[in-house]
Amino acid sequence: AQTVTQSQPEMSVQEAETVTLSCTYDTSESNYYLFWYKQPPSRQMILVIRQEAYKQQNATENRFSVNFQKAAKSFSLKISDSQLGDTAMYFCAFMKQGSGNTGKLIFGQGTTLQVKP
Amino acid sequence: EAGVAQSPRYKIIEKRQSVAFWCNPISGHATLYWYQQILGQGPKLLIQFQNNGVVDDSQLPKDRFSAERLKGVDSTLKIQPAKLEDSAVYLCASSKNSGRGDTQYFGPGTRLTVL
Repeated sequence: AQTVTQSQPEMSVQEAETVTLSCTYDTSESNYYLFWYKQPPSRQMILVIRQEAYKQQNATENRFSVNFQKAAKSFSLKISDSQLGDTAMYFCAFMKQGSGNTGKLIFGQGTTLQVKP
Repeated sequence: EAGVAQSPRYKIIEKRQSVAFWCNPISGHATLYWYQQILGQGPKLLIQFQNNGVVDDSQLPKDRFSAERLKGVDSTLKIQPAKLEDSAVYLCASSKNSGRGDTQYFGPGTRLTVL
């Protein structure tokens, strides 16, 4: 069974600074997807960034980038130039790829990020 | 493009009562998911539909929870009878398909409080 662990329950960062959220996962699968989702206080979850395990290049989306270390089973999210609107709970999630992939997301416990002015 | 719609947004009931939640996915999305998110935890998949067929309901407490997706569009999730531990946010999500890592789009959720 796959598990996702986020070891930082809460984090804070000053506006305009950079912050890194950690995520580790456990799986015996070779091919899979990893995601970071953001859940603002209004509670609608939105996708921030995704990574396909077979791709060595780390994904980037504007101010958001990941550090994907497949051997270490680590998938951290870096937020550059933090903005007040980045305040939210962030979830790391895992999805199997290939045969047997039903699209099921397995989420970590979440990290609450507060961006301070 | 309209997002995933859910209703009601909030519901408070007594234990042993029944409750139903409704979800309308994004138009054209074949796959629909119901997740349970207990306070302070990540969402957990309860049931997944591909069109109107069930793909995965392995974590659905079938003695009290039921769900259906008639005509492969809207879906309802029912709890009968509710227990205190069912207090949670129930999230509905949809995606074009279930494979290829398709992005799941989430609704605003229904916050259930069982007293």
